[in-house]
Amino acid sequence: AAGVIQSPRHLIKEKRETATLKCYPIPRHDTVYWYQQGPGQDPQFLISFYEKMQSDKGSIPDRFSAQQFSDYHSELNMSSLELGDSALYFCASSSRPKTSGSTDTQYFGPGTRLTVL
Amino acid sequence: KNEVEQSPQNLTAQEGEFITINCSYSVGISALHWLQQHPGGGIVSLFMLSSGKKKHGRLIATINIQEKHSSLHITASHPRDSAVYICAASRGSQGNLIFGKGTKLSVKP
Repeated sequence: AAGVIQSPRHLIKEKRETATLKCYPIPRHDTVYWYQQGPGQDPQFLISFYEKMQSDKGSIPDRFSAQQFSDYHSELNMSSLELGDSALYFCASSSRPKTSGSTDTQYFGPGTRLTVL
Repeated sequence: KNEVEQSPQNLTAQEGEFITINCSYSVGISALHWLQQHPGGGIVSLFMLSSGKKKHGRLIATINIQEKHSSLHITASHPRDSAVYICAASRGSQGNLIFGKGTKLSVKP
């Protein structure tokens, strides 16, 4: 079965550079979530999209932006990179249940490991 | 205080032992998720619970909504079960997860 695809898997950038992370959800999944996991930390929610619209926003810095495209893939754009942005960035996808107020299982991609030097 | 708390933080067991990891949450949730993260970093969803109990192979997850508590049990543990187990809560229909700190499990042969 198809899984969530993230690219690149590893990325090394210098301070103040920009980076773009890509996420391809499982086919027919309409919701994408982005999470950031710093070294030794638990994952933190950044932002999510449902049907190409931003649905919720977490602790995403103003230097970051994201969008979901017509084919449901999502991109996380990161500018003016800082050393503290070094982390594992996960994308997860799910299919929103028809029942209001409920959620569905999230399927995680393998993550993109970003190192800022 | 974290909204999702797990215990223990670290757990070492001998192969074959019965293992329990506990999770308490202080927020209203739509579902409680148990995730497994291997040393390479990949996260796998094990269970999503909103009530009762679920079983998959040697893994059992339970939730008590009134007490805001969930447990993950592993029967007949095996070294390949060694991983970090994370409890996470989702709220409402947005579904974004609030993660616990994780329990690092090491099963010795």
